[in-house]
Order: sequence, then C-alpha cells, then structure tokens
Amino acid sequence: DAKTTQPPSMDCAEGRAANLPCNHSTISGNEYVYWYRQIHSQGPQYIIHGLKNNETNEMASLIITEDRKSSTLILPHATLRDTAVYYCIVRVAAGGGADGLTFGKGTHLIIQP
Amino acid sequence: AAGVIQSPRHLIKEKRETATLKCYPIPRHDTVYWYQQGPGQDPQFLISFYEKMQSDKGSIPDRFSAQQFSDYHSELNMSSLELGDSALYFCASSSKPGQGPAFFGQGTRLTVV
Repeated sequence: DAKTTQPPSMDCAEGRAANLPCNHSTISGNEYVYWYRQIHSQGPQYIIHGLKNNETNEMASLIITEDRKSSTLILPHATLRDTAVYYCIVRVAAGGGADGLTFGKGTHLIIQP
Repeated sequence: AAGVIQSPRHLIKEKRETATLKCYPIPRHDTVYWYQQGPGQDPQFLISFYEKMQSDKGSIPDRFSAQQFSDYHSELNMSSLELGDSALYFCASSSKPGQGPAFFGQGTRLTVV
C-alpha cells in the first residue's frame, strides 16, 4: 500500500472548519483513500473513504485532488469532541491478501474552545 | 446499530502466562482483523480472517495465534506473555476482506506484570 504523509499536529477553533491534509504521491489507480480517527485509547472510528471523486457523509467531506496525489478531510463545524488523532490510510480496493489497514503517524487535531 | 464486541475489556496477566481475547464481529460481517497498539504508538496490524481462513498476516509474533469460528467470532491466543505485550488489542470487522471500511471494537487492554 502507498505511504501517506500527514502533519503531526493541528489546532482549530471550535465552530470553524477543520481541514486536514494528506499526501499520498505514490498512490496506485486501484487504491482508495480512507480516513479514521482515534479518540484517546478508544477504537479507531471510520470516517469516510473515496477513490477519485469527492465524498461527503454526515461526519465529514473528503476532497481528493485530480491527480490523486493528495487529499483533504474537512470537518465542517469542529467541536471539542472532534479532538483526536486522524489517520489517512491508502488501501488496495479489494482482496489480494494485503487487506489489513496500515496506520501511519496521523495528525493530532486539537479543537480549541 | 450493533458494533464489534470485544471481551474482556481489561486483562491482567503475569509473565509467561497465556491469554485469550475474543472478538464478536458486526452481524453479517465475515472478515475479522486484529491490531495491537502499544503505549504511545499507532495501531499495528496483526492478522485477519475471512470465512474462517487466514486472509492476511502482519506483524504477529510466533507466540500468538488466532482463529475464526463458524459463527465468525474470532479469538486471539497469546502464550508466554512478555512485559512488552502490554498493549491495547483491537478487533475490527468488515463484510469482505479489503473491501469497504472496517469497523473497530473498543479494544482489550492487556497488562502483563
């Protein structure tokens, strides 16, 4: 699976949009971009994933650049409960045996009151 | 909605003892993944199962083994426990290996003394 690069930490004011960047310049055509987050010692929580089109769900939006070398996770109205480590993970679409998620260092997002 | 259930939530064992962790996937999910997260570290993939067969293997020590049963629940068996095995152990499940998101349980905190 392709390697990802994320800033180690970010701050965001409560109520503002949090924009978390991720670089995945070696991504392959059959690899999806997944975002998970982990709130202190809880199980990682799935947020959103996409292949090449932008995606939106009730939690967040995912913007993937046209060349697919980077993406941005957007939390539209951040709350204190969004403070967590956010992981951007690139994963082969289906099967092939390499189906375990590879967690990198992630971004520690801190929402400031 | 039903989530991934892990038991026990906390476990204390002495060095050289054995431990068994259990994971009950989301109903109709046939794929189970195990992860280990040491203190201050990111989750590391150990092993996964699909339809009771090993699907993928990560950094699982030889002292550990796992299996998936006919009702799709999975058990992680850990023998000759070492102090360094103290960690959070997460189980995740999905509907097919490598396809779609995996959803995580709340984890088992293992402390080896």
